[in-house]
Amino acid sequence: EVQLAESGGGLVQPGGSLRLSCAASGFTFSGYWMHWVRQAPGKGLVWVAHINPDGRTTGYADSVKGRFTISRDNAKNTLYLQMNSLRAEDTAVYYCARAGVPGALDYWGQGTLVTVSS
Amino acid sequence: QSALTQPPSASGSPGQSVTISCTGTSSDVGRYNYVSWYQQHPGKAPKLMIYEVTKRPSGVPDRFSGSKSGDTASLTVSGLQAEDEADYYCSSYAGSNNVFGTGTKVTVL
Repeated sequence: EVQLAESGGGLVQPGGSLRLSCAASGFTFSGYWMHWVRQAPGKGLVWVAHINPDGRTTGYADSVKGRFTISRDNAKNTLYLQMNSLRAEDTAVYYCARAGVPGALDYWGQGTLVTVSS
Repeated sequence: QSALTQPPSASGSPGQSVTISCTGTSSDVGRYNYVSWYQQHPGKAPKLMIYEVTKRPSGVPDRFSGSKSGDTASLTVSGLQAEDEADYYCSSYAGSNNVFGTGTKVTVL
């Protein structure tokens, strides 16, 4: 069974940093593109970043470019999102998701809440 | 990277059909056949319902169907059931990134 489990969320002050993790199981992690998607409280889904199977190709939304870094450790079956220079508007539930079919995300984790506030 | 445009709400009675539109541009929806649709119930993770404009993942009822014309994609839910009440989001590949729609709340009357 495919499972994705995010961790690392919490309360952080503006300007601070946080690293999210997404532990994958039930599939060959090293064979799939992976994504981060976020959802601010009461708002819609927003794509954040993606990474290719070997970790050499990444892409970011303009709103996080230069502040967030997506990475992966295929030996540990884990996806990461390093978030620096956090702002209040980064407050959201962050989901990791697998791109298992062309152009779409077929499995999602349950999300981890990041709150940026003083 | 502007969000795709969806109507805020849609509704229908049980057994009826509802169609949700998703309008993008020639750089995303209009250029690529990589439009997908997600269902999200309150407090839950999104669930993939449609991918590559018209394809349904295993386990998704055939009451859900997708289409596209030009820069606008659509999701139709036929034979509405109570459990279809949820938020629905479209998404499109846009070259080096992905973009989601603004979301539509579907209410079963």
